[in-house]
Amino acid sequence: GQNIDQPTEMTATEGAIVQINCTYQTSGFNGLFWYQQHAGEAPTFLSYNVLDGLEEKGRFSSFLSRSKGYSYLLLKELQMKDSASYLCAVSGNTPLVFGKGTRLSVIA
Amino acid sequence: GAGVSQSPSNKVTEKGKDVELRCDPISGHTALYWYRQSLGQGLEFLIYFQGNSAPDKSGLPSDRFSAERTGGSVSTLTIQRTQQEDSAVYLCASSPRAGAHTGELFFGEGSRLTVL
Repeated sequence: GQNIDQPTEMTATEGAIVQINCTYQTSGFNGLFWYQQHAGEAPTFLSYNVLDGLEEKGRFSSFLSRSKGYSYLLLKELQMKDSASYLCAVSGNTPLVFGKGTRLSVIA
Repeated sequence: GAGVSQSPSNKVTEKGKDVELRCDPISGHTALYWYRQSLGQGLEFLIYFQGNSAPDKSGLPSDRFSAERTGGSVSTLTIQRTQQEDSAVYLCASSPRAGAHTGELFFGEGSRLTVL
């Protein structure tokens, strides 16, 4: 079967760094995605990892370890607008399978 | 259009009625996906189109659910004899990448369905 686990909620302070973890078990592996979803809005693409290692894109970085079935999303210099749900999704032999998302609250 | 367009944005219906949800993907995107999102749940895959054919419809919850795509563009998701458990936000996404599901998905704003 396919299973994706990520924490339900996290809280972090404005200006700080937060790491959102994701573990997965899937049939086949074609890459791991992170999406951001603000309340009441459509998910938007943040990052894609297919090889092991760190991908950096501005304040956001995403890491992948295929052998461990593990990824994390790192958000630096947190801003209030980063308060949103962060969805981990894996592409395997099927269309993207999404985790339930991590709701991040950024506080002053 | 500039983005994925879905209609209606909100639909309230009575149990037992049929509903149709429409998705207009980004022009030129060959892949189209339907997902649904219930409160507190992750995105649940429903069906995938490549062009007008649906190679994977494994996520459709029951035979009350069906979908079609015409002209390699617009898609319609139909739910017959709606039940209260069908209440959710139905999200459509398109992707320019054919074949393996490695392309970025572009999501519409969703259609919020409430079944009374």
